[in-house]
Amino acid sequence: EAEVAQSPRYKITEKSQAVAFWCDPISGHATLYWYRQILGQGPELLVQFQDESVVDDSQLPKDRFSAERLKGVDSTLKIQPAELGDSAMYLCASGTGGVYNEQFFGPGTRLTVL
Amino acid sequence: QQQVKQSPQSLIVQKGGIPIINCAYENTAFDYFPWYQQFPGKGPALLIAIRPDVSEKKEGRFTISFNKSAKQFSLHIMDSQPGDSATYFCAAMRAGGTSYGKLTFGQGTILTVHP
Repeated sequence: EAEVAQSPRYKITEKSQAVAFWCDPISGHATLYWYRQILGQGPELLVQFQDESVVDDSQLPKDRFSAERLKGVDSTLKIQPAELGDSAMYLCASGTGGVYNEQFFGPGTRLTVL
Repeated sequence: QQQVKQSPQSLIVQKGGIPIINCAYENTAFDYFPWYQQFPGKGPALLIAIRPDVSEKKEGRFTISFNKSAKQFSLHIMDSQPGDSATYFCAAMRAGGTSYGKLTFGQGTILTVHP
């Protein structure tokens, strides 16, 4: 069964350092999403791609976060500089398309900022 | 108006019990309501979903009940098993539109099923 791949699975960094997360969606899925999940809460959308274009990045802290999906396949989410409050699980999901666009999530990257 | 409120925050049942998790939404533009199951250290996995043109949907031991007029929906787990112990999230989405496929999640319910 096809799955969304993410790496690394865990990342520990110090405040003010740069971090990057990678996501490989299910083959053929045009939509890709990055969510942030703080412990004990539901995921919150950071950015949404349709192919290589950003559809919604209204919740992305653009002063420190950036996301790209250059060839419309895999995607990278970057944080620079990292802050203590960025500690969370970063989830990538890809969607089947169509009206109801069923989303499949990857295992996530657990970020700890010290 | 984008919020989805979920309750209870945690739930403990005995094996064979029927836990019920409730969600309420405000945005009447939402027209797709999925439930996700998440195990520790894993990403959420789609469990079951409903559209507002039906009042109930069953898949195996999982049932969604939907009340459009009250803007509420709930998940029932029949004959619950210890393996169902996980965090459950309801979500809502507006199909199509400029925020195509954007899911708004509830706060989650930690379910524990004792043997």
